[in-house]
Amino acid sequence: AQTVTQSQPEMSVQEAETVTLSCTYDTSESDYYLFWYKQPPSRQMILVIRQEAYKQQNATENRFSVNFQKAAKSFSLKISDSQLGDAAMYFCAYRSGDGGATNKLIFGTGTLLAVQP
Amino acid sequence: KAGVTQTPRYLIKTRGQQVTLSCSPISGHRSVSWYQQTPGQGLQFLFEYFSETQRNKGNFPGRFSGRQFSNSRSEMNVSTLELGDSALYLCASSLALRVTGELFFGEGSRLTVL
Repeated sequence: AQTVTQSQPEMSVQEAETVTLSCTYDTSESDYYLFWYKQPPSRQMILVIRQEAYKQQNATENRFSVNFQKAAKSFSLKISDSQLGDAAMYFCAYRSGDGGATNKLIFGTGTLLAVQP
Repeated sequence: KAGVTQTPRYLIKTRGQQVTLSCSPISGHRSVSWYQQTPGQGLQFLFEYFSETQRNKGNFPGRFSGRQFSNSRSEMNVSTLELGDSALYLCASSLALRVTGELFFGEGSRLTVL
């Protein structure tokens, strides 16, 4: 079975600084997708960034980028120029690309990010 | 374009009762999945539907059930409620299964069981 581990329950960053959130996963599959989702307080979860396992190039979305290390099964999220609006719970998630059609996500336990002004 | 709508947003039930939660996906989306979010267990997959058929089910007891209608709206039902069923129930929609597109989440239905 696939598992996703986020070892940092809480993180804090100063506004305008850079922070990296860690995520490791375990799978025996060759085809899969990895995601970072953001859940602001009392608001819906939104997709921050995604990475297809077959792509070697790290995904980037504006101030958000990932460091995808497939052999190490590591998928960290870097937030540059942190803003107050980045404060939220961040979830790392895995979706299988094998074994039939599914949108099922396996989530990590989340990292609560605080942004200090 | 309206997002994923979940109703009710908040509800309080007592042990032994049953509850039905509703999810209206984004227009044109045919896949709906449900997740339970609790402080202790985190986010756990309940089930997913596509074209009115349950395609995948998580490891939850039979008290948890769901269905999807022809207009893609989905409902989930929990019977014989237990204290441990207190959670935020999230619904997510997507265009279809097995696409690289994103899931769009609703704001959730927060269930409290007393």
